[in-house]
Amino acid sequence: ETGVTQTPRHLVMGMTNKKSLKCEQHLGHNAMYWYKQSAKKPLELMFVYNFKEQTENNSVPSRFSPECPNSSHLFLHLHTLQPEDSALYLCASSQGDSNGYTFGSGTRLTVV
Amino acid sequence: GQSLEQPSEVTAVEGAIVQINCTYQTSGFYGLSWYQQHDGGAPTFLSYNALDGLEETGRFSSFLSRSDSYGYLLLQELQMKDSASYFCAVDAYGGSQGNLIFGKGTKLSVKP
Repeated sequence: ETGVTQTPRHLVMGMTNKKSLKCEQHLGHNAMYWYKQSAKKPLELMFVYNFKEQTENNSVPSRFSPECPNSSHLFLHLHTLQPEDSALYLCASSQGDSNGYTFGSGTRLTVV
Repeated sequence: GQSLEQPSEVTAVEGAIVQINCTYQTSGFYGLSWYQQHDGGAPTFLSYNALDGLEETGRFSSFLSRSDSYGYLLLQELQMKDSASYFCAVDAYGGSQGNLIFGKGTKLSVKP
């Protein structure tokens, strides 16, 4: 366990479904992130929250909708996804500087 | 644009020394980090260099040359458990955002 917990670990969903990914950290960190990891590509930053406020939306399609109800929890709501959205979705937290992110183990998403 | 280059794959034998290079072109630079990711696992933080020079942590060392936009991760006394992907990441924005730009990763295979 890294201190950042993601659920579910695996998710298969149809293109018309709505689902949510959950991330939880109890490290006292004040920044949380969603990254997308696809094969042969760099980790892509999707969203950043600092003190529950979204500070970055990296041109992510609106079919991905983040929610940060408090500094310990982060959600990624998914709807009408495309097959190319299949990837590993990683959550991370930090103290708000770049000296060390703590990542969760990710949710392996397959869109069919 | 922002880019980081690192080799896609490296193979070495147990007990050997391996160096994974990373060159970067980013709009700003505040520091270079390295992360390790085993198959199916979470990326884990290894090291961070904000200043030129070599940082040593046990069997792993990380080097930075800001004038050359270059860094490397040095792994000594390789063990089978070091087989993993290694990512370099640049903090291009600094400050409270703490957003990292990642390379595509180098897959290290350690052979007996």
